[in-house]
Amino acid sequence: AQSVTQLDSHVSVSEGTPVLLRCNYSSSYSPSLFWYVQHPNKGLQLLLKYTSAATLVKGINGFEAEFKKSETSFHLTKPSAHMSDAAEYFCVVSGNLIFGKGTKLSVKP
Amino acid sequence: DSGVTQTPKHLITATGQRVTLRCSPRSGDLSVYWYQQSLDQGLQFLIHYYNGEERAKGNILERFSAQQFPDLHSELNLSSLELGDSALYFCASSQIPGTVISGANVLTFGAGSRLTVL
Repeated sequence: AQSVTQLDSHVSVSEGTPVLLRCNYSSSYSPSLFWYVQHPNKGLQLLLKYTSAATLVKGINGFEAEFKKSETSFHLTKPSAHMSDAAEYFCVVSGNLIFGKGTKLSVKP
Repeated sequence: DSGVTQTPKHLITATGQRVTLRCSPRSGDLSVYWYQQSLDQGLQFLIHYYNGEERAKGNILERFSAQQFPDLHSELNLSSLELGDSALYFCASSQIPGTVISGANVLTFGAGSRLTVL
């Protein structure tokens, strides 16, 4: 069975500071992992995906995530937060069938 | 505009009623997925169709049903509605069948249909 856990329901950062959104997964085989973003009153948009190629995956809008098999983690990072990054972020495993509960990112000016 | 069209955007109805949500996938996409997003349950996968055939089923209630038509649009039917069915229902599409272990299956989401049951 597969599962995904987003460790923080809400993260608040100041504009210009780094962002870290944490995701742990459980899988009995090599997983595919995704991060999606949902802006208020919008649908979800793909940020990046991991499919067993490079372990460091770069996505849109300056986000990246690193697949760490030993830690079963796929944390999302960005060096410098922008106000427009305020949204809800979902970590996804297993071909888009299992979504994490989401992490709401707030960015303070 | 993502290319995935969902109608209606908002729907308010009463308990016990039946509604139909419609989804037109992005041009060229053969797969359609339905998801339910509520505050307490998060984003839950409901059902997946590929080229008219059901491919996977998630936490979909027996009161709910779906189908994908020859022109590839899909409908989600919700019947005997309860207060707890109030949620945002998303449709997403992709080009490939999308097995459980597929990593190439990137989804394009519609803007959602917000259902309120009073």
